[in-house]
Amino acid sequence: QKEVEQDPGPLSVPEGAIVSLNCTYSNSAFQYFMWYRQYSRKGPELLMYTYSSGNKEDGRFTAQVDKSSKYISLFIRDSQPSDSATYLCAMSAGNTPLVFGKGTRLSVIA
Amino acid sequence: ETGVTQSPTHLIKTRGQQVTLRCSSQSGHNTVSWYQQALGQGPQFIFQYYREEENGRGNFPPRFSGLQFPNYSSELNVNALELDDSALYLCASSAPERGGLHTQYFGPGTRLTVL
Repeated sequence: QKEVEQDPGPLSVPEGAIVSLNCTYSNSAFQYFMWYRQYSRKGPELLMYTYSSGNKEDGRFTAQVDKSSKYISLFIRDSQPSDSATYLCAMSAGNTPLVFGKGTRLSVIA
Repeated sequence: ETGVTQSPTHLIKTRGQQVTLRCSSQSGHNTVSWYQQALGQGPQFIFQYYREEENGRGNFPPRFSGLQFPNYSSELNVNALELDDSALYLCASSAPERGGLHTQYFGPGTRLTVL
């Protein structure tokens, strides 16, 4: 079992839809949960991070962490064509290297 | 504030050759991590440098080595290149004293093709 599992998609939605992206993990030591956005042939861009369980909102983006289920989610409201990218979840136990999922490729169709 | 920069952008090498990739960290960041991202995969941790010392290493062979300089810029060296080394190599910088190691900011990457 990989430490971090993420459905690679691809996921295709119409403009304006709510998008739900998810990751599961097996290492209970993970405390920090990050979401990165990566456009084609570019480096990952940090969208947001959450410490431990709970929700965090930033504009159209909401990150949720459920440590009891070892499950994290990223919701994108009112999705735009410019949101089309690969979304990577990443996790860390603190001062340890980031462990990434495979990424989910998202296409938002105008 | 200057972001993370990497050079070169693209590189083509043949099997058995050696390559050096370069990274300049974001202003004020003293920690640099290197990742390998194969096509369709998430980044895999290679190693990390903190104040010019290697401070953690992933599951990569010794032919992957690195350096960090006093200005916190860094190099990744790969010897005896293999076809499977073809990937996007990403550098990320962070400032553990301020934001922790989890808040890492990535450069645009160097795409290495080994023929």
